[in-house]
Amino acid sequence: GENVEQHPSTLSVQEGDSAVIKCTYSDSASNYFPWYKQELGKRPQLIIDIRSNVGEKKDQRIAVTLNKTAKHFSLHITETQPEDSAVYFCAAYRSGGGADGLTFGKGTHLIIQP
Amino acid sequence: NAGVMQNPRHLVRRRGQEARLRCSPMKGHSHVYWYRQLPEEGLKFMVYLQKENIIDESGMPKERFSAEFPKEGPSILRIQQVVRGDSAAYFCASSPETGTDTQYFGPGTRLTVL
Repeated sequence: GENVEQHPSTLSVQEGDSAVIKCTYSDSASNYFPWYKQELGKRPQLIIDIRSNVGEKKDQRIAVTLNKTAKHFSLHITETQPEDSAVYFCAAYRSGGGADGLTFGKGTHLIIQP
Repeated sequence: NAGVMQNPRHLVRRRGQEARLRCSPMKGHSHVYWYRQLPEEGLKFMVYLQKENIIDESGMPKERFSAEFPKEGPSILRIQQVVRGDSAAYFCASSPETGTDTQYFGPGTRLTVL
């Protein structure tokens, strides 16, 4: 089955700086890669996703890049703000596989220092 | 436009009791996924259901756990004879009938086994 590794487990950045979170996956058939943000005690919220036919996607301060050959994808947050503090999860999924759910990384605790 | 609903939000059970967790998907969604999240960890896929069908239960323990999604009413995750190790947050997610892999999460049920 799929295995997703996520790094770092904790990331502390100064407010206004950029943050980068990296994930690798093992199943070359995975073709859908969402990122979720989870605040303490809350539900995971989808913040951006990318499909394997696209190399990069951007939405305001958030961008995701995908390297299919290397089987890794990254989340980039620019101009970080205090409200960006949360745990971020990457996930991988094989669309059309007919089974399975999302396979998640273990999460990155992002801390924005004022 | 209600999102994914789960109840109860918090559930306390003693060892050996039964736990029933309910999930109502977003309007128009007929795919339901259940995930379990242990403290400080990512979400682990348990089971994927469509109306009246279990599509994939490969992530669900073979004993004591069962899930259903009847034609009418919410999806139910049932845990019989709970043990302390079942203490976790249980999230469900839903996705539309066709056209997208995007999964939207409910607020979760936090199960505590005493």
